[in-house]
Amino acid sequence: DADVTQTPRNRITKTGKRIMLECSQTKGHDRMYWYRQDPGLGLRLIYYSFDVKDINKGEISDGYSVSRQAQAKFSLSLESAIPNQTALYFCATSERRGAIDTQYFGPGTRLTVL
Amino acid sequence: AQKITQTQPGMFVQEKEAVTLDCTYDTSDPSYGLFWYKQPSSGEMIFLIYQGSYDQQNATEGRYSLNFQKARKSANLVISASQLGDSAMYFCAMREYRMTTDSWGKLQFGAGTQVVVTP
Repeated sequence: DADVTQTPRNRITKTGKRIMLECSQTKGHDRMYWYRQDPGLGLRLIYYSFDVKDINKGEISDGYSVSRQAQAKFSLSLESAIPNQTALYFCATSERRGAIDTQYFGPGTRLTVL
Repeated sequence: AQKITQTQPGMFVQEKEAVTLDCTYDTSDPSYGLFWYKQPSSGEMIFLIYQGSYDQQNATEGRYSLNFQKARKSANLVISASQLGDSAMYFCAMREYRMTTDSWGKLQFGAGTQVVVTP
C-alpha cells in the first residue's frame, strides 16, 4: 500500500465550484505539504503544516485553504475554483534524513477547472 | 532569482549507457540540502537521492549517484546502466538552512530535465 495517498486522482470541475483534495499518510510523519505543478515551473509550495496545530502559508496560498484534521490527514480546498488553478497537485510528508527533512510525495491529483 | 538551474530541457540516452543530468544552484547559506526527484509519465514524484552541504562524500543510491562539486555549486545526477524505466522527468531541488531563524527554508525546484531512454 502507498504511504502517501491522494484523493481524487483526477477531477474536472467548473469555475466557481468548491473543491477539496484530500491527502492521507501512513508514514507517521508530523510534517505535511501541498504543492502545485505547472508545466515549465517545477513545483510551488501552497501550504505546509508541521503538526496539527501549526499551519503556514507557502509562496502561492491565495485562493486556497487547508485543514489538518489529524496527524495523518491534510486537506486542500479551493473555495471558488478558477481556470488558472488547473494543475497537478501534490501532497508530501517529510522525515529527518541526516541533517534535513526529506520530502516524500503522493501520486498527485490532476485538477482541471473549466 | 532562480535558485536551481537545470540547463538540459531534454535528452536521449541509449539503454545500458550512463547519463549525467546537470544541476547548478545558488545560495549564500553554508548549510543546505540537495535532492533529486524522478517524475514518470504517470505523474508521481519519487525521491531518488539526497546530498547535504557538509557531506564529505558524494551520495549514492543504487544506480544513482550525485556528483557534488561544492565550489562550483553543482549537484549533477548520474544514472548508470540506464533502463527503459528510467524514462521520466528529473527534478533537482534544494533546501537552505537559515541561521537567522534557525530553520530550514522551503524545498525549491528546478524546471526539470526530460530523459528518454531508447533501446
